[in-house]
Amino acid sequence: NAGVIQTPRHKVTGKGQEATLWCEPISGHSAVFWYRQTIVQGLEFLTYFRNQAPIDDSGMPKERFSAQMPNQSHSTLKIQSTQPQDSAVYLCASSSDNYAEQFFGPGTRLTVL
Amino acid sequence: SQLAEENSWALSVHEGESVTVNCSYKTSITALQWYRQKSGKGPAQLILIRSNEREKRNGRLRATLDTSSQSSSLSITATRCEDTAVYFCATDAVYQGGRALIFGTGTTVSVSP
Repeated sequence: NAGVIQTPRHKVTGKGQEATLWCEPISGHSAVFWYRQTIVQGLEFLTYFRNQAPIDDSGMPKERFSAQMPNQSHSTLKIQSTQPQDSAVYLCASSSDNYAEQFFGPGTRLTVL
Repeated sequence: SQLAEENSWALSVHEGESVTVNCSYKTSITALQWYRQKSGKGPAQLILIRSNEREKRNGRLRATLDTSSQSSSLSITATRCEDTAVYFCATDAVYQGGRALIFGTGTTVSVSP
């Protein structure tokens, strides 16, 4: 079991460019979560899927962020028109159900210049 | 405002000593989890303690939960250099029937030889 896989591990974009982050959850896990981690804000919940269906995106900045889970083997987080304040480590986690331990990937460090 | 927060930014101990990280939270919970994050990695769960439990152990780790004061503690005995990490408490937050984790700000524990 390779655990949760996130690609790329590092991404650098220029201001205004688009960034797409990928997450492959642990096989068989039904819940996928996205979090953002910065020094200032800490670990913040962004969005959550259960059985590929979006359950809640209340933590997502509304205008430029979107997340999808087209199949059970991967989820994407897309940030359009990236801004310097989007620089952070984006973490994906999966769990076997809503109430279980969440297994985190290593994260994608996004740097917006 | 933070729904969960650790009470110390950083703690330093020598190998073999014990260390305790404290956490307070502001909402009613069904469970509280302790996670550890090492440099360059995603958080990893250490202990999950349910609201009807007062204490939970996992090897050298011991977590306590006091729902009346809305506080928890994580104690590590016989610390090792590899225990150096950021320790988070996390409470579950119900979002439209789903559950995401609300993380505290984290306590950096440094264990020196």
